[in-house]
Amino acid sequence: ETGVTQSPTHLIKTRGQQVTLRCSSQSGHNTVSWYQQALGQGPQFIFQYYREEENGRGNFPPRFSGLQFPNYSSELNVNALELDDSALYLCASSAEGSSSYEQYFGPGTRLTVT
Amino acid sequence: AQSVTQLDSQVPVFEEAPVELRCNYSSSVSVYLFWYVQYPNQGLQLLLKYLSGSTLVKGIDGFEAEFNKSQTSFHLRKPSVHISDTAEYFCAVSRTGGGNKLTFGTGTQLKVEL
Repeated sequence: ETGVTQSPTHLIKTRGQQVTLRCSSQSGHNTVSWYQQALGQGPQFIFQYYREEENGRGNFPPRFSGLQFPNYSSELNVNALELDDSALYLCASSAEGSSSYEQYFGPGTRLTVT
Repeated sequence: AQSVTQLDSQVPVFEEAPVELRCNYSSSVSVYLFWYVQYPNQGLQLLLKYLSGSTLVKGIDGFEAEFNKSQTSFHLRKPSVHISDTAEYFCAVSRTGGGNKLTFGTGTQLKVEL
């Protein structure tokens, strides 16, 4: 069973640029959630995708957007990067409708905005 | 909306001593409760969860937690810690029927010393 993978591992961008982060969900999982973890903080929910549709969103501006593909992999796009966007971005997959309510996290992408 | 409070940002403890990491939550609706562990430069791993039933929940690596509805708490305990337990621990909640969208606390850094 393949776990959740994320790419790239690390990324350095300049303020104002755009970035795309990628996530491959665990086999059999149809739901992907994205979280932002700033240094020294707990993860914060950005949004969730289920069957290629956004299925809930946290308190993040529209410049944070996403996609889910038919194979359930997902992308997180951030436009007009700001210094405060520097964080670890975590992707988690789960099986909607599962009674376990477990999410499986990837290792994250460390984004640095300079 | 839900919120999670982890009052202890750091907990130092000697190896083989017991430890308790505190978690309190606030929610106007019923929730599921989770504890996750994060090792340096890694994603989150589920330790245990409370969905329903017995309020004492046992997880991996000898961890357990007790759900106390009246005190809105879900404290994590381990009777004897090891050096390898040194990590960041996060308490999280999700609204029942809310599609696995987690709200995390700010984390507790457990440092196990010889």
